[in-house]
Amino acid sequence: QVHLVESGGGVVQPGGSLRLSCAASGFSVRSSGMHWVRQVPGKGLEWMTSLDEIRTYIADSVKGRFTISKDTAKNTLHLQMNSLTIEDTAIYYCVKDRTGHGAFDYWGQGTLVTVSS
Amino acid sequence: EVVLTQSPGTLSLSPGEGATLSCRASQSIASDFFAWYQQKPGQAPRLLIYGTSSRAAGIPDRFSGSGSGTDFTLTIRRLESEDFAMYYCQQHTGSHYSFGQGTKLEI
Repeated sequence: QVHLVESGGGVVQPGGSLRLSCAASGFSVRSSGMHWVRQVPGKGLEWMTSLDEIRTYIADSVKGRFTISKDTAKNTLHLQMNSLTIEDTAIYYCVKDRTGHGAFDYWGQGTLVTVSS
Repeated sequence: EVVLTQSPGTLSLSPGEGATLSCRASQSIASDFFAWYQQKPGQAPRLLIYGTSSRAAGIPDRFSGSGSGTDFTLTIRRLESEDFAMYYCQQHTGSHYSFGQGTKLEI
């Protein structure tokens, strides 16, 4: 059974950094497309970045600041977030890809990142 | 970058009625790469439909998706109380993914 558990959220000052983790079980992140999607509370969904077996995709809004990576030994997905701004405040979801369809199949429960001074 | 526009913004219906939600893309999308999601308050989104018309595991057959090119539709037959939620469309083109702004289905 696929299960995704995010961690690492919290409060950070503007300009700061944070690293989110997503522990996966029930499948291998090595051979799966994985994504990060965020949502400002009460607002819509925003795709951030994706990583399949060979390629990385990233939204223009976070390019140069956010980096997605996989730790295949620990079956974990990471999101390194640098130069954070107030506009990055959101719930961050780790998502497993629906292979071949570019859809977001399984979602974690989300972790809240608050950027505030 | 593909922009998805959902309509209506809010849809007010009663249990037992049918619902039609629309999503229009700013450019043509391959049918394999279009999806719909449901989100309830305090929960993560749930995949309903992928590849325009394929239901995800466990999704009741009262949910159906259709469309092609730039116009896509989510149809819900005989609404049940658990169906009242936010619905988002989503696409994947090239190196980019995007969501619509959502339709709120309310009682």
